This record gives sequence, C-alpha cells and structure tokens, in this order.
Amino acid sequence: GNSVTQMEGPVTLSEEAFLTINCTYTATGYPSLFWYVQYPGEGLQLLLKATKADDKGSNKGFEATYRKETTSFHLEKGSVQVSDSAVYFCALPRSGTYKYIFGTGTRLKVLA
Amino acid sequence: NAGVTQTPKFQVLKTGQSMTLQCAQDMNHEYMSWYRQDPGMGLRLIHYSVGAGITDQGEVPNGYNVSRSTTEDFPLRLLSAAPSQTSVYFCASSQPGRRVSGANVLTFGAGSRLTVL
Repeated sequence: GNSVTQMEGPVTLSEEAFLTINCTYTATGYPSLFWYVQYPGEGLQLLLKATKADDKGSNKGFEATYRKETTSFHLEKGSVQVSDSAVYFCALPRSGTYKYIFGTGTRLKVLA
Repeated sequence: NAGVTQTPKFQVLKTGQSMTLQCAQDMNHEYMSWYRQDPGMGLRLIHYSVGAGITDQGEVPNGYNVSRSTTEDFPLRLLSAAPSQTSVYFCASSQPGRRVSGANVLTFGAGSRLTVL
C-alpha cells in the first residue's frame, strides 16, 4: 500500500535561510501529493499540492516537485521568515480509497 | 466563513466518562473523517464516512463510535474514556473527485484538545 516517510524534526533556522524538508513516498499508480501546514494552536491547512509526475506545487514562496524517478516530494523555500514557524506534513491518499496517509510532521522554528 | 467547526475546543474527562466531540461542515462535502494527533506519531485516522449513513473504521477505531445521519454532521463519541485517549482530535472533510476544482483537499477543523485523567 501507499506510504510516506518524512524528515524528522525539529528544524531550527535563522530568518532568510534556505529550507528543505524531505518527503519520500511509495505508491500504487500516481496519486496526488500534498503538503499541509499546522500553525500553533490551529488545524492543518493545505500549503500546496501536485497532481501528477513533474508537477510543481507552489504557495507562499514554498515549492515542491512531484518526482516520480526518486519518489520524492521535498518541500523547499528560498528564504524563510519567522511567520513560517509551524509543523509541516507530507500526505497522499491511500490507494483506491478516500483515506489519507500523513507523515509524522516536521516542526520548523525560524529565529529572528 | 465556510469551513469545519469543531466543539468543544478543550475538554477534561475522568476515566470512564463518556462524551461526544461535535463536527459540522457547511461545504456539502461527502467525505468526513476524524484524526487524532499525538506527539511523534503524526495524524492517525480514527473513523471516516463517505456519505450520510455510511461510516467505516480507520487505523485506531477502538474506544470510539461515529454516526453520519446528515451530510453536515459527523460526531465522534468516546464511550468510556481512558487516559490513552488524551490527545488532540481533528475533524476533516473533502469532496472526492478528479474533475472538481479543489477535489480531494482536506479541510480541517481547529481541533479539540481532550485530557482524560
């Protein structure tokens, strides 16, 4: 079945540093891939998604490319801000179902 | 604002007590689900529903009960609370499909923090 492995955290960066959070997956077929973000005290919300191989999802300066050859969907941002401090989750649907599989989450802390 | 509404935000229970976490969505989503979030374990699916009158178990269903009598509501019942059920609970909904814009994107509620003593 489908699964996702996400980089362990926490990650602590200085403001304006480059961010990469790794996510690799195993999947039957080519499901859509998602990154969700959880700000302190809130529920998760969609950050970006990609629906097919080689698609690049982007939002709020974050990007992730759906790479079939390496089965990866790494999240990147060129210059992080304090307001990006949050927990980031990689996710994909289970094969043939509406259920979703989430990674364990990566906590990012950005220092001013 | 349209979205998923969860109540209560916080609840403290004693072992053995029962309670219901409420979830309502006003987006006419067919799919609704309950997750629990525990440190180091990410999100784990408790129960889900693909439409009114249809529910099914997720990864960790024991000790929880659900029903879906309307499209809008999907309550989660704890029958006899245990300390192991101390967690943050999230309700999420989505509209399945391939051609609908925004399809398959989960919309989450703000969460309900439950402590069982």
